[in-house]
Amino acid sequence: AQSVTQLGSHVSVSEGALVLLRCNYSSSVPPYLFWYVQYPNQGLQLLLKYTSAATLVKGINGFEAEFKKSETSFHLTKPSAHMSDAAEYFCAVSIQGAQKLVFGQGTRLTINP
Amino acid sequence: EAGVVQSPRYKIIEKKQPVAFWCNPISGHNTLYWYLQNLGQGPELLIRYENEEAVDDSQLPKDRFSAERLKGVDSTLKIQPAELGDSAVYLCASSPRAGGYTDTQYFGPGTRLTVL
Repeated sequence: AQSVTQLGSHVSVSEGALVLLRCNYSSSVPPYLFWYVQYPNQGLQLLLKYTSAATLVKGINGFEAEFKKSETSFHLTKPSAHMSDAAEYFCAVSIQGAQKLVFGQGTRLTINP
Repeated sequence: EAGVVQSPRYKIIEKKQPVAFWCNPISGHNTLYWYLQNLGQGPELLIRYENEEAVDDSQLPKDRFSAERLKGVDSTLKIQPAELGDSAVYLCASSPRAGGYTDTQYFGPGTRLTVL
């Protein structure tokens, strides 16, 4: 069965610093990978997704992620953090035929002024 | 275009009482999902509908949970009777196609249930 592990339940960075949120997946078949963001009291919103095209995926709000099959990773990065990036971030995996997302436990991102 | 609508946003009930949540997906979306999100955790799928058919309800605790999607549009999730451990956020999501495993899922704001 497929699964996702997010390393670090809480990440704190300074405004303007690099954001790196880690995600590793486990899947016996080629995965499709997603990053969602959840702001307080709101639903999840898609940041970006990998669907077997380009391995470097660009998303909204300046985020990007790189699919690395050899490392079974799909880490999320942003060069310069903004206060508005403070939220909960979820990595998720979907596989062909299942059509359901399996989410990691989430990483809470805090931005320090 | 309106997003996924859920009501109520918050619900507080006593244990053993029934409760129902309602979801209206984005217009034209064939697939509807109900997820359970416990505090500090990622969402977990409870049930998935393609049109009016429940095609994956393997994670739905059927002794107390039920769901319906009459006419393949809006959906209701019910718990009867509620237990203390059911306190969580119940999220509804929709996606455009049946079988679209790379489709983006669009989430509603959720219903936060507190069972006392």
